[in-house]
Amino acid sequence: ETGVTQTPRHLVMGMTNKKSLKCEQHLGHNAMYWYKQSAKKPLELMFVYNFKEQTENNSVPSRFSPECPNSSHLFLHLHTLQPEDSALYLCASSQDPGRYPNQPQHFGDGTRLSIL
Amino acid sequence: ILNVEQSPQSLHVQEGDSTNFTCSFPSSNFYALHWYRWETAKSPEALFVMTLNGDEKKKGRISATLNTKEGYSYLYIKGSQPEDSATYLCALVANAGKSTFGDGTTLTVKP
Repeated sequence: ETGVTQTPRHLVMGMTNKKSLKCEQHLGHNAMYWYKQSAKKPLELMFVYNFKEQTENNSVPSRFSPECPNSSHLFLHLHTLQPEDSALYLCASSQDPGRYPNQPQHFGDGTRLSIL
Repeated sequence: ILNVEQSPQSLHVQEGDSTNFTCSFPSSNFYALHWYRWETAKSPEALFVMTLNGDEKKKGRISATLNTKEGYSYLYIKGSQPEDSATYLCALVANAGKSTFGDGTTLTVKP
């Protein structure tokens, strides 16, 4: 079973829809991350959770609402998105970065989101 | 804002060629520099964790070096193969839990 699983792989939604992206990790990690990659831009950190607590919100608009019920699951709730929000959304996990700051992150395959 | 730059943006080589690309960064004060390989339709996969000035890491035909004084890291691929085709990302960890990524170098190896 893959370490970090994201669903769905593809999502098309209208600007008035509400949808959620799901991420699950089976690596025993304590930290989880959401990243956004827009066309021709680098990976952009959105949110960080460590031990279920949000430790980073990189000035993300409130139409993106993360939820981390436990260290293995991370959601990104989407509401009234804009066309410019069309992008690849990647989830990642790692060991506690406060204790192991050098450790790399393990990524899922991403959700390709298209806003009509 | 931390700026991590990668060059070149893309690279096309023939099978068997050796190649290298660069990751540049302004800060010498960071926890680690990570190299990832990102194949199309797959997830980014960690290649190397570089932490100390002068670090050299190797995995098969791929190796990386780190120069923190001048602010760069090189990734080398010896005898490129078609399966090496991917986007290679570097990420600087200046704050615990916060990685700043470069744009990546996309390598295409032609058989």
